[in-house]
Amino acid sequence: SQTIHQWPATLVQPVGSPLSLECTVEGTSNPNLYWYRQAAGRGLQLLFYSVGIGQISSEVPQNLSASRPQDRQFILSSKKLLLSDSGFYLCAWSSGTGDVDTQYFGPGTRLTVL
Amino acid sequence: GQNIDQPTEMTATEGAIVQINCTYQTSGFNGLFWYQQHAGEAPTFLSYNVLDGLEEKGRFSSFLSRSKGYSYLLLKELQMKDSASYLCAVMDSNYQLIWGAGTKLIIKP
Repeated sequence: SQTIHQWPATLVQPVGSPLSLECTVEGTSNPNLYWYRQAAGRGLQLLFYSVGIGQISSEVPQNLSASRPQDRQFILSSKKLLLSDSGFYLCAWSSGTGDVDTQYFGPGTRLTVL
Repeated sequence: GQNIDQPTEMTATEGAIVQINCTYQTSGFNGLFWYQQHAGEAPTFLSYNVLDGLEEKGRFSSFLSRSKGYSYLLLKELQMKDSASYLCAVMDSNYQLIWGAGTKLIIKP
């Protein structure tokens, strides 16, 4: 069966500091991978998605970036965090095949920027 | 623009039935998803509809009317553990998920 991991679970960072969040998927090959952010009481905002190694699509222009150095690894980064970057960051995967391309979420990282 | 509307909050009684509505306006339609999200946790997949009608999964059912841009999630025999937010999401013509803000369901004993 497939599993998705994210770390860290919780992070408190000062404004202007760098960020690196990691997501890995097990039990599947060539998944589609997604980074979302969820602000308190708000819907999910798609930040980046990737259909393969080195292929990144950005949905929202901002000071975040994403990379996919390996098939099942997806990294979210920032060089300098802003207060507005606080939120719940969720990584998700889907198979990208079949009739129903359901997305499955990792446990998330709660980021607080102070 | 693309829009998903859900009620912000609903309250129901343990053992009762509740219906959570979702209306959508999107550029194209390739299916509608319902997810459950407990406070502080990640969303988990509940159901998927792409054709009109009712899909039943145990205590949970989901209905879709594509002509009306409307779906609902029906929860029967409510339990306290059903207290959560319920997210409606539509896959558009580019196969991207458009998310509603979610409905917070409060179950009272």
